[in-house]
Amino acid sequence: DIQMTQSPSSLSASLGDRVTITCRASQTITKYLNWYQQKPGKAPGLLIYAASSLQSGVPSRFSGSGSGTDFTLTISSLQPEDFATYFCQQTFSTPQTFGQGTRVEIK
Amino acid sequence: QVLLVQSGAEVKKPGASVRISCKTSGYSFTNWPIHWVRQAPGQGLEWMGEINPSGGATTYAQKFEGRVTMTRDTSTSTVYLDLNSLKSEDTAVYYCARGMGILIIHFDSWGQGTLVTVSS
Repeated sequence: DIQMTQSPSSLSASLGDRVTITCRASQTITKYLNWYQQKPGKAPGLLIYAASSLQSGVPSRFSGSGSGTDFTLTISSLQPEDFATYFCQQTFSTPQTFGQGTRVEIK
Repeated sequence: QVLLVQSGAEVKKPGASVRISCKTSGYSFTNWPIHWVRQAPGQGLEWMGEINPSGGATTYAQKFEGRVTMTRDTSTSTVYLDLNSLKSEDTAVYYCARGMGILIIHFDSWGQGTLVTVSS
């Protein structure tokens, strides 16, 4: 199985900060990488698919980059509604696997 | 709009079975696979498998092979997850999600989740 490792596991940031979350795959997954946001008690929601494509309706302050084994999710200016947990997911091979999550908290 | 509505919470004893339903609407049911993902309390996301509603073909994560069955009813656009021989470690929120994309699959719509509690 492909292991997905996110860093950091949690971070504290202030409103307006630029936030970067990293996801590393244990083997190459080309661009088969998605990002999700999850708030407490809610289902995850898709932010970015295919490493860098913004899902319809998602604010443009979210962006994704990377290919191969190393990927990044960036929030350009943190807003109150962005405090949540973020997961990466690889769909290159079965079983599809997720990172352990990055919790973004208010500083 | 696309909606996935799941059945309600369940409490089961160890060794029992559970069935969760996921009723879809707002799109052509047979066009896109439905995936099942679970999340234990305070933990991450775990992919369990998928079903192609068109022909009913399934792919299961090896971890669940022999214990899980995914089926669909095209007349009601509903997908079902059956999990048997339940253990306490199966306590989790179970989500269905639509798998979009021809090449790079991504889950664009999710059900609201179904909490399954396994306890004696």
